[in-house]
Amino acid sequence: KAGVTQTPRYLIKTRGQQVTLSCSPISGHRSVSWYQQTPGQGLQFLFEYFSETQRNKGNFPGRFSGRQFSNSRSEMNVSTLELGDSALYLCASSRLNTEAFFGQGTRLTVV
Amino acid sequence: GEDVEQSLFLSVREGDSSVINCTYTDSSSTYLYWYKQEPGAGLQLLTYIFSNMDMKQDQRLTVLLNKKDKHLSLRIADTQTGDSAIYFCAERGNNNDMRFGAGTRLTVKP
Repeated sequence: KAGVTQTPRYLIKTRGQQVTLSCSPISGHRSVSWYQQTPGQGLQFLFEYFSETQRNKGNFPGRFSGRQFSNSRSEMNVSTLELGDSALYLCASSRLNTEAFFGQGTRLTVV
Repeated sequence: GEDVEQSLFLSVREGDSSVINCTYTDSSSTYLYWYKQEPGAGLQLLTYIFSNMDMKQDQRLTVLLNKKDKHLSLRIADTQTGDSAIYFCAERGNNNDMRFGAGTRLTVKP
């Protein structure tokens, strides 16, 4: 059974640009959550999608958005990138509200 | 700051047991988790425990939960050099979000 797949693995963007990250959950999992990991703030919850609906949102500015498709794949978008958005972005997939399996992450560097 | 607290570092000798401790604040948390993160990698789910349990054992791993004190621990028996990593404790709240501790860096010395 394939795990959670995140693409791309690495990204370099310049300030002011926008970026889209992709997450394919484990087959049969309908919940996808996104987290930002930085050395200073640790792991912080961004948002969760279930059956194409955003079910919960963390405390991030509106520049961070996401969506989920009918096949449960999810994308997150960050607009008007700032240097402080440099981080490892992790996606987690769950079938029910029990285990959460993470992908390898996308490392975003904003220069 | 985090709602989940962990000590930042732990160093043990190969073959010894490691115990990583965690305290959380949300008494309504449904599930509590332990994840392992190696350099450059994502989070690997090691084990999780439902909040109405007080112990779970899985091979070398033992999780103890003291719900009254909101204390969770992970014991790794016969610790190996390959166990060196950062270990994260996490709780799942009523909103289904997961809140993580800052991580404990485990160093295993030969």
